[in-house]
Amino acid sequence: ETGVTQTPRHLVMGMTNKKSLKCEQHLGHNAMYWYKQSAKKPLELMFVYNFKEQTENNSVPSRFSPECPNSSHLFLHLHTLQPEDSALYLCASSQVLGTYEQYFGPGTRLTVT
Amino acid sequence: QQQVKQSPQSLIVQKGGISIINCAYENTAFDYFPWYQQFPGKGPALLIAIRPDVSEKKEGRFTISFNKSAKQFSLHIMDSQPGDSATYFCAASTGNQFYFGTGTSLTVIP
Repeated sequence: ETGVTQTPRHLVMGMTNKKSLKCEQHLGHNAMYWYKQSAKKPLELMFVYNFKEQTENNSVPSRFSPECPNSSHLFLHLHTLQPEDSALYLCASSQVLGTYEQYFGPGTRLTVT
Repeated sequence: QQQVKQSPQSLIVQKGGISIINCAYENTAFDYFPWYQQFPGKGPALLIAIRPDVSEKKEGRFTISFNKSAKQFSLHIMDSQPGDSATYFCAASTGNQFYFGTGTSLTVIP
């Protein structure tokens, strides 16, 4: 596989469930990002990791818990979500942290019922 | 507070025409201004980007015009094609922070 992959592509979960989103990049990049994309709203940067270390948490509720075990993998653990958390969750990576091109995965379409 | 304001929300252009999408920002610390293209079911893909020391950048049919004093930048798509129909996002970034516009849905009519 090439580029940035995300699994699953679609996820439906109840408010009491616990699930995880997975992102993997095959580009040898050192920085990885989680974004939330909702209809009619700008992409929202959620978390930033640089060399496996979290550098940004943009006031994201604790029901979203990221994990970056190595520079190639990024997870987003979800628990007790709300219906307003339904959105497309995008993972991205870049060669280094900073103002450089970001490569996005196809996203996970999350629906919270 | 929206860091990057994008307009129009939607745009319909005839094949061969010019598509123009505008963005404005407030934070003068931004030092990288990319444009992304997103097709349904796909993640955004970088189209073209500019840094504030340049007023214009052209790549094929795509041109960014950058006005530092007005804090505005725009994307021009020349000779628009039906295959250009997608959603376009402008963005601005500095350091660890990246801010995107709300997107413009472009439809190019054959």
